[in-house]
Amino acid sequence: GEQVEQLPSILRVQEGSSASINCTYENSASNYFPWYKQEPGENPKLIIDIRSNMERKQTQGLIVLLDKKAKRFSLHITDTQPGDSAMYFCAASGNSGTYQRFGTGTKLQVVP
Amino acid sequence: GGIITQTPKFLIGQEGQKLTLKCQQNFNHDTMYWYRQDSGKGLRLIYYSITENDLQKGDLSEGYDASREKKSSFSLTVTSAQKNEMAVFLCASSIVGTGGEAEQFFGPGTRLTVL
Repeated sequence: GEQVEQLPSILRVQEGSSASINCTYENSASNYFPWYKQEPGENPKLIIDIRSNMERKQTQGLIVLLDKKAKRFSLHITDTQPGDSAMYFCAASGNSGTYQRFGTGTKLQVVP
Repeated sequence: GGIITQTPKFLIGQEGQKLTLKCQQNFNHDTMYWYRQDSGKGLRLIYYSITENDLQKGDLSEGYDASREKKSSFSLTVTSAQKNEMAVFLCASSIVGTGGEAEQFFGPGTRLTVL
């Protein structure tokens, strides 16, 4: 199996609180896990990624966690702002010969 | 830096029509991709290409053809447009020759409507 499951599909949070998005993957050979943000009317852009030699990565209010045993990875946005409202996609890819498979997306709404 | 351009931005077709979408990148990336984006279904890979004249099927290749004419360009053909079809087609590129272990850069998309 090569599917990537992403939950929740819609997430509504209060400004200033944190938001968490979870993804699971099936291919145990997967070793690269990017997260993309897509604002309305725009194309997806990479915001953070993690490779399988790490369990945690943090940059500018974003934290990604990777649990290889559970085949699960997650994105945590701390201190959410209205500008964080967007679609977020996780993806997973493995060694040469495979390609990134995307989750179905999470629509994040940050409300005042 | 670089840019990916997609033409046309909007494409309106008739049922059964053959439609072609074009993508150009100036990143000098080896690998290019075509995705279909439907509401609630994320990004589904149609075709990808790891070098000029190479073509690899993705999960959604049925009903589509693709062509990597040169390193910088990758075109997608909808072989027979389906009535009431609406979707956004995204082109992307990355530096990796095989596999997916690199950031993908996306174009602005082509929005398809079939009447």
